[in-house]
Amino acid sequence: DQQVKQNSPSLSVQEGRISILNCDYTNSMFDYFLWYKKYPAEGPTFLISISSIKDKNEDGRFTVFLNKSAKHLSLHIVPSQPGDSAVYFCAASAQTGANSKLTFGKGITLSVRP
Amino acid sequence: NAGVTQTPKFQVLKTGQSMTLQCAQDMNHNSMYWYRQDPGMGLRLIYYSASEGTTDKGEVPNGYNVSRLNKREFSLRLESAAPSQTSVYFCASSAGYIGGYGYTFGSGTRLTVV
Repeated sequence: DQQVKQNSPSLSVQEGRISILNCDYTNSMFDYFLWYKKYPAEGPTFLISISSIKDKNEDGRFTVFLNKSAKHLSLHIVPSQPGDSAVYFCAASAQTGANSKLTFGKGITLSVRP
Repeated sequence: NAGVTQTPKFQVLKTGQSMTLQCAQDMNHNSMYWYRQDPGMGLRLIYYSASEGTTDKGEVPNGYNVSRLNKREFSLRLESAAPSQTSVYFCASSAGYIGGYGYTFGSGTRLTVV
């Protein structure tokens, strides 16, 4: 039972254009969502997060949108750069208290073409 | 500031051999985790330790054991390695509650079982 779904395994965009990475979840108890970025031969690193009390969070070129009614979130990268080429994992947590654990999606491989 | 350190970075084992993957964090985090990453499967939780002295099974614990040696160190042991355990293993740590950046990951151990 996959609670966090990233249904598109890959995405290719032109440099300078917008990249939109999608993520769906099934557990209505999830209240905190994160995106991680992973380069080859490195561990995942935190990119951006959003709490369920918000519907948008922005950090520079990266914006995450949350649609709670649809149980859907998306990561927008504008403008996309070749250095953004990586695997992006969506993650969610069902607890805001102690001992919270993240549930990860399978990841999306983003390729930004020069 | 090293963050999360994993050793070794690469390892080749023969079927049936045993080994221990080491992980240490210097962020005074309460919780630590072991994940494996396989193509098309994303990040799957093997074991976690919510706090020093406690360990719990994750999604794919079979064939593994863990030890939370102290607050800093969390090791993963393969008692009798199998080819199905060929994977990239990531250790992560967190403060124990979800907020901010969630987890800090190590750079991974690439394990091949032949």
